[in-house]
Amino acid sequence: GDSVTQMEGPVTLSEEAFLTINCTYTATGYPSLFWYVQYPGEGLQLLLKATKADDKGSNKGFEATYRKETTSFHLEKGSVQVSDSAVYFCALSEAYGGATNKLIFGTGTLLAVQP
Amino acid sequence: GAGVSQTPSNKVTEKGKYVELRCDPISGHTALYWYRQSLGQGPEFLIYFQGTGAADDSGLPNDRFFAVRPEGSVSTLKIQRTERGDSAVYLCASSAYLGTANEQYFGPGTRLTVT
Repeated sequence: GDSVTQMEGPVTLSEEAFLTINCTYTATGYPSLFWYVQYPGEGLQLLLKATKADDKGSNKGFEATYRKETTSFHLEKGSVQVSDSAVYFCALSEAYGGATNKLIFGTGTLLAVQP
Repeated sequence: GAGVSQTPSNKVTEKGKYVELRCDPISGHTALYWYRQSLGQGPEFLIYFQGTGAADDSGLPNDRFFAVRPEGSVSTLKIQRTERGDSAVYLCASSAYLGTANEQYFGPGTRLTVT
């Protein structure tokens, strides 16, 4: 079945450092890809998404490019802030016959940014 | 506007008891999803409603779990004869329409603890 694999955390960075969180997927067909973020004490929020190959999703300085050839959707940010500290989840939405659009999530990566 | 709400926020119950968890989706959202998130894991799909009907219940772990959405709005997840392994955060999400790229809006979750 479809699955998502993301790098284990925690990832600890200093403020203004460059961030990469790796995500790869296995899917039948052509899924949509998402990054969700969970800030401490809050619910899951959509950070960005991409719906087809070579699409780049971006939001709040974060970016991720849908790479079909490497089945990847790595999350990047050029300069992280303390306020970016959260758990980040990579997810896909199945896209074949009778799809219910359910999300399949990775295990999450905790990011801790130190001042 | 109001987001997805879930009640109760916390529920502690004894093994073998019956529990109900409630989800109020965003007004007008026709699609509703339940997920379960165990500690250190990403959310796992349980069931999906389109309107009043359960369009996909393939994620329900066994027949102790059941969910309803009688009027196409509020949904209740019901767990019979609870077991310690049912302890998790139960998340509800809603979306406005079908489509794999459609954003799902998550509620804050109900933390269920079975003692």
